[in-house]
Amino acid sequence: QKEVEQDPGPLSVPEGAIVSLNCTYSNSAFQYFMWYRQYSRKGPELLMYTYSSGNKEDGRFTAQVDKSSKYISLFIRDSQPSDSATYLCGKNTGNQFYFGTGTSLTVIP
Amino acid sequence: NAGVTQTPKFRILKIGQSMTLQCTQDMNHNYMYWYRQDPGMGLKLIYYSVGAGITDKGEVPNGYNVSRSTTEDFPLRLELAAPSQTSVYFCASILAGGGIQYFGAGTRLSVL
Repeated sequence: QKEVEQDPGPLSVPEGAIVSLNCTYSNSAFQYFMWYRQYSRKGPELLMYTYSSGNKEDGRFTAQVDKSSKYISLFIRDSQPSDSATYLCGKNTGNQFYFGTGTSLTVIP
Repeated sequence: NAGVTQTPKFRILKIGQSMTLQCTQDMNHNYMYWYRQDPGMGLKLIYYSVGAGITDKGEVPNGYNVSRSTTEDFPLRLELAAPSQTSVYFCASILAGGGIQYFGAGTRLSVL
């Protein structure tokens, strides 16, 4: 079983829509969860980072962790064309990081 | 403030050639990582290091070698390049375990 599994998409939404990106994970050892955004031909950049269950908000972005169901989500409100990118979910267990396969998002003006 | 710097940005190798991908960070981070990213496959960990002189294998280490002689540098060595090593390689670093991981811009490698 993979450490992190992610809905592959691709996802295409109109500007202003609410976007929901989802991942599941295995192994319940103490760990951190994170979301990275990756623009085409660039390195991943950190969007959100949390270790607890519940919601964490940063501007238009909300990261949600449900440890009981081993589910992690990223919500984007009022999506913009500049949000068009690949989004990677990940977790950190000990010294190692595990990532999902990424979801490609296109926001259409 | 450069962060994590990778060189070269692009490289084409012939089968059987060798090369070293360079990675340098100027944030005094202890932990450094090498990943490869293939289309639709996400990031796969190749090797990581928790400090100078200490390295360990990740998920896909075969065909690669690393060394960590200084805190700043973590080069990745390909000894006998194979077409299966065609990928985008990313180097990353964090200050300590559980920290925020910072990525370089990547090296695009093609083995023909």
